[in-house]
Amino acid sequence: GAGVSQSPSNKVTEKGKDVELRCDPISGHTALYWYRQSLGQGLEFLIYFQGNSAPDKSGLPSDRFSAERTGGSVSTLTIQRTQQEDSAVYLCASSPPGRSAYGYTFGSGTRLTVV
Amino acid sequence: AQKITQTQPGMFVQEKEAVTLDCTYDTSDQSYGLFWYKQPSSGEMIFLIYQGSYDEQNATEGRYSLNFQKARKSANLVISASQLGDSAMYFCAMREDNAGNNRKLIWGLGTSLAVNP
Repeated sequence: GAGVSQSPSNKVTEKGKDVELRCDPISGHTALYWYRQSLGQGLEFLIYFQGNSAPDKSGLPSDRFSAERTGGSVSTLTIQRTQQEDSAVYLCASSPPGRSAYGYTFGSGTRLTVV
Repeated sequence: AQKITQTQPGMFVQEKEAVTLDCTYDTSDQSYGLFWYKQPSSGEMIFLIYQGSYDEQNATEGRYSLNFQKARKSANLVISASQLGDSAMYFCAMREDNAGNNRKLIWGLGTSLAVNP
């Protein structure tokens, strides 16, 4: 597709349930990022994938969070045993190879609400 | 430690006037990039403008310009001739180019801009 696609756009889940968030980056973009934006806050880095290299997971807030990227394309962010503090907008972004001056292209995000 | 500071939680501007949104940054790296993004109420994050640390000219993109003062570590966004559609959150972000392979951005908390008719 022409842009970064994220699904679902909205997700309401009960505390303790697992959720999966999906990101389909722009074709040819080797770098993929997940960020979290809590209400009224800036973006918090979660995880970074670059081609076939090992991902940088340094931003994941707990071991309940994990992500994978299959075939260098689609990525899934999984949150296990969700807590109310996980409620946020989860944004995915991708960028082409090289130190692009044009930053990332972001998806529209998944708004997660844990009740 | 990396840090982006946006000191203006909210700003108001009259339509057709210019407005400056402040951003200061802190880094010990010599090579870095500075970005501004716009986030309307719909939620998408829209890239506006980029300034590289070695760029001698201030970046401009249409009505957006970046007032880059390297010695003061500031990268203020100037929006000229404000339009009602400019009402949004504006985020300043920094990428440190020496941070290995990870080109993650460090983000400020944003400035909410309201354009009055």
